[in-house]
Amino acid sequence: QVQLVQSGSELKKPGASVKVSCKASGYTFTSYAMNWVRQAPGQGLEWMGWINTNTGNPTYAQGFTGRFVFSLDTSVSTAYLQISSLKAEDTAVYYCARVGVYSSGWHGDWFDPWGQGTLVTVSS
Amino acid sequence: EIVLTQSPATLSLSPGERATLSCRASQSVSSYLAWYQQKPGQAPRLLIYDASNRATGIPARFSGSGSGTDFTLTISSLEPEDFAVYYCQQRSNWPPDGTFGQGTRLEIK
Repeated sequence: QVQLVQSGSELKKPGASVKVSCKASGYTFTSYAMNWVRQAPGQGLEWMGWINTNTGNPTYAQGFTGRFVFSLDTSVSTAYLQISSLKAEDTAVYYCARVGVYSSGWHGDWFDPWGQGTLVTVSS
Repeated sequence: EIVLTQSPATLSLSPGERATLSCRASQSVSSYLAWYQQKPGQAPRLLIYDASNRATGIPARFSGSGSGTDFTLTISSLEPEDFAVYYCQQRSNWPPDGTFGQGTRLEIK
C-alpha cells in the first residue's frame, strides 16, 4: 500500500540544524509531488511548499524561504526537509504529504497520503 | 494568496445529530477543495476531494458540496469517533499555493 514513513522526533538547540526524512513506498516516487506541512503546538496546518520529485525543483510558500530546504534522494524514494538556524518558534510537527492521485493516474489537488509527522523541538 | 475561512470555529453537538461545517474562499477555487479530519496526536486524514468526492474508505455519512467560493462538509449523523478538528484546503500550481483553513473543532455537547 502507498505509505509515507517519517524519521523520529528531534530535540535541537537554537541555532542548530535538523533534517527530517520522509520515505515513500508503494508507488513510483518520481511520479508525484511531495508537500511539506507544519503544525505548531495547538495550532492549525500550514503549507510550507512542495518539491517536484521528477526534477527536484522546490517551491517554497511565503514565510518558508531561506532557512528551509527541500531535497530528494530518489535512489531510496525519500524526501527531506532541512531547517537551519533553528529558532524556538520552529518547534512543531512537520508532515510530508504526497499530492493526491486520480484513478486515471493524473495528479489531483489534495494531499494523500500523509506521513505520521515528525516533532521537532527547539529548546536550550 | 487565497484565504480560506472556516466557520464556526467550534461546533458543539451530540452523537446522532447532523453537523454542517462551512469553508469560504476569498476567490474562486472552482471545485478544487479538499476536507481533512485530524484527531489529537494523529496526522490529518483525507475525507473529501474535489469538493464532493469521498476518499477511499470514508463512510457515506460524510458528504461535501459547493463550488466557487462556498463549500460545506456535512456529517449526516455524528458517531463518537467523528469528534475531531476539520480543515478545508485548496491547492494550485500557479501561483503556487496550498492554503488550509484555520479549522473547525467539532466537540461533544
